[in-house]
Amino acid sequence: QVQLVESGGGVVQPGRSLRLSCAASGFTFSSYGMHWVRQAPGKGLEWVAVIWYDGSNKYYADSVKGRFTISRDSSKNTLYLEMNSLRDEDTAVYYCARDLGHFERGGSYFDYWGQGTLVIVSS
Amino acid sequence: QSVLTQPPSVSGAPGQRVTISCTGRSSNIGAGYDVHWYRLLPGTAPKLLIYGNSNRPSGVPDRFSGSKSGTSASLAITGLQAEDEADYYCQSYDSSLSGVVFGGGTKLTVL
Repeated sequence: QVQLVESGGGVVQPGRSLRLSCAASGFTFSSYGMHWVRQAPGKGLEWVAVIWYDGSNKYYADSVKGRFTISRDSSKNTLYLEMNSLRDEDTAVYYCARDLGHFERGGSYFDYWGQGTLVIVSS
Repeated sequence: QSVLTQPPSVSGAPGQRVTISCTGRSSNIGAGYDVHWYRLLPGTAPKLLIYGNSNRPSGVPDRFSGSKSGTSASLAITGLQAEDEADYYCQSYDSSLSGVVFGGGTKLTVL
């Protein structure tokens, strides 16, 4: 069955970096676009970034553009989120999600999600 | 402030019908982009309930239905059950933001 397992969360000081991973199994990872979505404490869901099935295109929310980098390694069936210059407002549970639609046509939607990994940015 | 607007909370008694609205604008729902719905329970992975405005993935009961009209969409849940108590989110795409957008979420309480 499809599984997405995030890891790499933790407590980090403002201005520092952290890398999240999402291990995928149960499907052909290289055939699907993948996203990161986050949820700050007591807040709603916020889309963070998308990467094409082949890694050829990446798009980011304005709130993380220039600080976060999404990437993937299809040989390891793993999605990554490199987070730099972290801010207090980046504190959230970060989910990876599989895209069953087409982002380039505005049709993305997520049929499988991981359980999330918590990132706390605090001094 | 979420791009898509949902009521913060709705409630209903077991067996009743509730609806959750999702209001957007001309750059997202009104532009023709599809609306999708998810259920979130604490500590669990979000679950897709409705995709493409009104389609149910396999395994989702037909008690859940979706619709879209103009700049708004709705999720209806009939025959409310205690297990339906959760947070529900709508999702679409916004052309002015060039990205995926979510509603602020609606907490459903089963009385």
